[in-house]
Amino acid sequence: DTEVTQTPKHLVMGMTNKKSLKCEQHMGHRAMYWYKQKAKKPPELMFVYSYEKLSINESVPSRFSPECPNSSLLNLHLHALQPEDSALYLCASKGGVNLGNYEQYFGPGTRLTVT
Amino acid sequence: SQQGEEDPQALSIQEGENATMNCSYKTSINNLQWYRQNSGRGLVHLILIRSNEREKHSGRLRVTLDTSKKSSSLLITASRAADTASYFCATTSAGGFKTIFGAGTRLFVKA
Repeated sequence: DTEVTQTPKHLVMGMTNKKSLKCEQHMGHRAMYWYKQKAKKPPELMFVYSYEKLSINESVPSRFSPECPNSSLLNLHLHALQPEDSALYLCASKGGVNLGNYEQYFGPGTRLTVT
Repeated sequence: SQQGEEDPQALSIQEGENATMNCSYKTSINNLQWYRQNSGRGLVHLILIRSNEREKHSGRLRVTLDTSKKSSSLLITASRAADTASYFCATTSAGGFKTIFGAGTRLFVKA
């Protein structure tokens, strides 16, 4: 199984809502990533978890809260978002003993619209 | 700031022609990767080239890496309409976690 799954595919939420994005992989990968991608732009790194610990936070606003409950699952909790947070949110994973020399596997993304 | 810059930003060619995309980056890298993204969907890994490699092939893809110039190129030979997509280079620094994407090249292959 070389698949990264993301749910939901689409999400519309108001600025006062609380929602969560979910990402799952069963490839035994030990690094998992959240990216944000705006239209016609490259993915921007948000968070990296390595061995279930937060390794990188790219100065992301606290209204985005990541969580890694176990080695297969990654969540992104959303609260009090702004319309400019509307984007495609991509999850990726990467594995191997040397995490440096492996490619990332991406999920299909969650299209988020904040109204 | 973005690690990689790509050119051209957009490229339109006829089916059967070759497409070349270039990527430049700023700092030392562990490896460089190329990804394809079809409209608004997840990215698909195409090829990874390590910092001690100069050229790599995979099917119709050829990637070169020049670490002295901090640049890479992706050549797609005998392009097909199905190759229409955005192509991104991405670099991973030593340490292995942080991967930064270039601005991307949008390729349109006309049938």
